[in-house]
Amino acid sequence: DVKVTQSSRYLVKRTGEKVFLECVQDMDHENMFWYRQDPGLGLRLIYFSYDVKMKEKGDIPEGYSVSREKKERFSLILESASTNQTSMYLCASSLQYQPQHFGDGTRLSIL
Amino acid sequence: DAKTTQPTSMDCAEGRAANLPCNHSTISGNEYVYWYRQIHSQGPQYIIHGLKNNETNEMASLIITEDRKSSTLILPHATLRDTAVYYCMFKDPYSGGGADGLTFGKGTHLIIQP
Repeated sequence: DVKVTQSSRYLVKRTGEKVFLECVQDMDHENMFWYRQDPGLGLRLIYFSYDVKMKEKGDIPEGYSVSREKKERFSLILESASTNQTSMYLCASSLQYQPQHFGDGTRLSIL
Repeated sequence: DAKTTQPTSMDCAEGRAANLPCNHSTISGNEYVYWYRQIHSQGPQYIIHGLKNNETNEMASLIITEDRKSSTLILPHATLRDTAVYYCMFKDPYSGGGADGLTFGKGTHLIIQP
């Protein structure tokens, strides 16, 4: 079974903090993705990566960066957290051309 | 991104087959139909996908009409744990180098009644 693990289910941080969200997959997938999901706005792609050290911007990359130093791990970084980054963050992974598989999400609150 | 039409909500009795429709009249020849579901407070779960032939796996069956403008997801024996929002979408898995993001519409809230 595909396993995508996100480091925290719930996280509370303060405005201006640097926040790290970690995602690990155990299926040797090439592609990894970070999304945020907000009521009424659906799923929006922040960044994705198709190989180690490779990254591509998604639809809403502003205020975020990513790191992929190892194939199994994809990190999302909020450089200076703001209240409008309060959201559910979802990590996904996939083999090339295959369906994406998601983690359980991190519900992040920025106070 | 690609636009689909699904009922907002549906009820189904436990143990019966749940049939969830989706219209995707603008689908093009290279685009596959995908179904995901999302149980409250969890991440989306992949269910099934197909191009033109009917597909079946351990979770569900997917019936695609001959003109490919609509499809039906069938959960053969629904259980209470199948209560979730079900999303239908279509995309070409080979576009964007195979790493395109997903777009979910509003989906169908399926409620399984005991």
